[in-house]
Amino acid sequence: DAKTTQPNSMESNEEEPVHLPCNHSTISGTDYIHWYRQLPSQGPEYVIHGLTSNVNNRMASLAIAEDRKSSTLILHRATLRDAAVYYCIYSTSGTYKYIFGTGTRLKVLA
Amino acid sequence: EPEVTQTPSHQVTQMGQEVILRCVPISNHLYFYWYRQILGQKVEFLVSFYNNEISEKSEIFDDQFSVERPDGSNFTLKIRSTKLEDSAMYFCASSESPYNEQFFGPGTRLTVL
Repeated sequence: DAKTTQPNSMESNEEEPVHLPCNHSTISGTDYIHWYRQLPSQGPEYVIHGLTSNVNNRMASLAIAEDRKSSTLILHRATLRDAAVYYCIYSTSGTYKYIFGTGTRLKVLA
Repeated sequence: EPEVTQTPSHQVTQMGQEVILRCVPISNHLYFYWYRQILGQKVEFLVSFYNNEISEKSEIFDDQFSVERPDGSNFTLKIRSTKLEDSAMYFCASSESPYNEQFFGPGTRLTVL
């Protein structure tokens, strides 16, 4: 099963950027990297995904290492509403399932 | 913005009873999934479904579980004889293709007494 490694928790001050790291050393060349977050008492919410190039959308940016063995989710200005558990996921080619790890619990301080 | 919906939001049942959890995926999506999350634990994959058949299932998805797309809009998860350990949040998800992002519903909280 696809395995990722993330820090258990991180803290950020409101309005400051947050860099959430993820290691995925067993990823293959065709596996997309997906980031989801789960707010309290809600279902996982899609944040961003990418393959090789860095990606930006209205929620965040995704920086992917050149060797693709790690990536970083960047929230440019954290708000209190960004407090959630962030999951880095990839599904190995030929499977449809997401394997969720324990994720990183982000705490945003006012 | 289209979204995945799930009903009921909370289901309470007695051990040994059958339950059916319902999901309405996003209308143009073709791939459907069920996941569960026991309180305080990780989100776990149960099953994926495409073209009216199961594509993949986990070890959790034993003979007590079944999935069905009874019509063009609903996607259901049935647990035949519930156990205490089936108490969890059950999330439905859908995607356009297996390579696109999965969109999750808000979940059904199942409580087995």
